Amino acid sequence: AQRVTQPEKLLSVFKGAPVELKCNYSYSGSPELFWYVQYSRQRLQLLLRHISRESIKGFTADLNKGETSFHLKKPFAQEEDSAMYYCALRGTGNQFYFGTGTSLTVIP
Amino acid sequence: DGGITQSPKYLFRKEGQNVTLSCEQNLNHDAMYWYRQDPGQGLRLIYYSQIVNDFQKGDIAEGYSVSREKKESFPLTVTSAQKNPTAFYLCASSISGTGGVYGYTFGSGTRLTVV
Repeated sequence: AQRVTQPEKLLSVFKGAPVELKCNYSYSGSPELFWYVQYSRQRLQLLLRHISRESIKGFTADLNKGETSFHLKKPFAQEEDSAMYYCALRGTGNQFYFGTGTSLTVIP
Repeated sequence: DGGITQSPKYLFRKEGQNVTLSCEQNLNHDAMYWYRQDPGQGLRLIYYSQIVNDFQKGDIAEGYSVSREKKESFPLTVTSAQKNPTAFYLCASSISGTGGVYGYTFGSGTRLTVV
């Protein structure tokens, strides 16, 4: 079965502290994983994708096939990072499976 | 200005009525999707379409119907058979056949409330 799990519904960190949003997946093939973000009153948008191995807004995510994880990390959280974050897996037929999301609050 | 447009932003429906949500994109994307977003449940796929005149059911298609007569348009009808239609509905599109490199482009959503 294809599934994405985000175990934390809510996460609060202080400004300047490191942040890690957890994502685990279940997929029998070679996974393609993404992180999406939804800032307050904005539409859901792509943050980063594992295939590009990029860093966006200071965030990185490494695919760990052994642990079937794709955790999102940032060394120093900023207030503007407060948002809803969704991990997504591209499954068969170009269909995406989303996790339930983690609401990140960065405390000033 | 390229993008994906959902209308209306807010929609109220009486019980027993069908209602259609609009989704239009000018990105020349082949694939389009409808998701339902509920608190604590994330995004769940209702229907998707990879090509004009073809669509497939997602995980929660019961009580919904779609059509894909034009590449740009993928309207969703919430029928009276949908038992719990009050939700936030998101439309998305993507370039098919690219290996998913670019992910989705999302609309701004329609909030449907049954009164």
